[in-house]
Amino acid sequence: DIQMTQSPSTLSASVGDRVTITCRASQTLSSYLAWYQQKPGKPPNLLIYQTSILETGVPSRFSGTGSGTEFTLTISSLQPDDFATYYCQHYVDFRWAFGQGTKVDIK
Amino acid sequence: EEQLVQSGAEVKKSGESLKISCRVSGYSFTTFWIAWVRQMPGKGLECMGIIYPYDSDTRYSPPFQGQVTISVDKSISTAYLQLHSLKASDTAMYYCATRLANPAHSFDLWGQGTMVTVSA
Repeated sequence: DIQMTQSPSTLSASVGDRVTITCRASQTLSSYLAWYQQKPGKPPNLLIYQTSILETGVPSRFSGTGSGTEFTLTISSLQPDDFATYYCQHYVDFRWAFGQGTKVDIK
Repeated sequence: EEQLVQSGAEVKKSGESLKISCRVSGYSFTTFWIAWVRQMPGKGLECMGIIYPYDSDTRYSPPFQGQVTISVDKSISTAYLQLHSLKASDTAMYYCATRLANPAHSFDLWGQGTMVTVSA
């Protein structure tokens, strides 16, 4: 099975900071790489799918890139609403693998 | 508006079984796959399995094969997750989720979650 490892596990940042979260895989991935934001007590919210496609309604400060075994989620200018936990997720052949999550908290 | 509405929180004892539901509204129930995702307290997300309501084609993630049963009732646009022989380690939030397109490579619509607590 594909293992997904996010880094860092926790990230302390300030409003306005540029934030990058990395998702590394144990083997080469397809382009079916998604990113979610989850706030306490809420279900995850899809931000980006197929590596770089912004979900409708998601602010343009979120972006995704990557290929092979390394993918990144970037928040260009962190906003107060962005303090949350972020997960990457890969799909292939009816297998969904999530990263362990990256918590973005206030510095 | 498309929605997934899940059944309420449950408190069960070890050894009992449980069936939680996910009712679909706002789109054609049989069109898109519906997945179940587990989140243990303070932990990450795990996809347990997925079902295609049109023909009940079901795929389980290996760790959950034989441990759970996913089903649908098309007459009431509802998907189910049945947990067998509950253990304390089944204590978790369970979400249903779908993608309003095929294939379900990611999930753009989620239920609100059903918290299941299992006591010894």
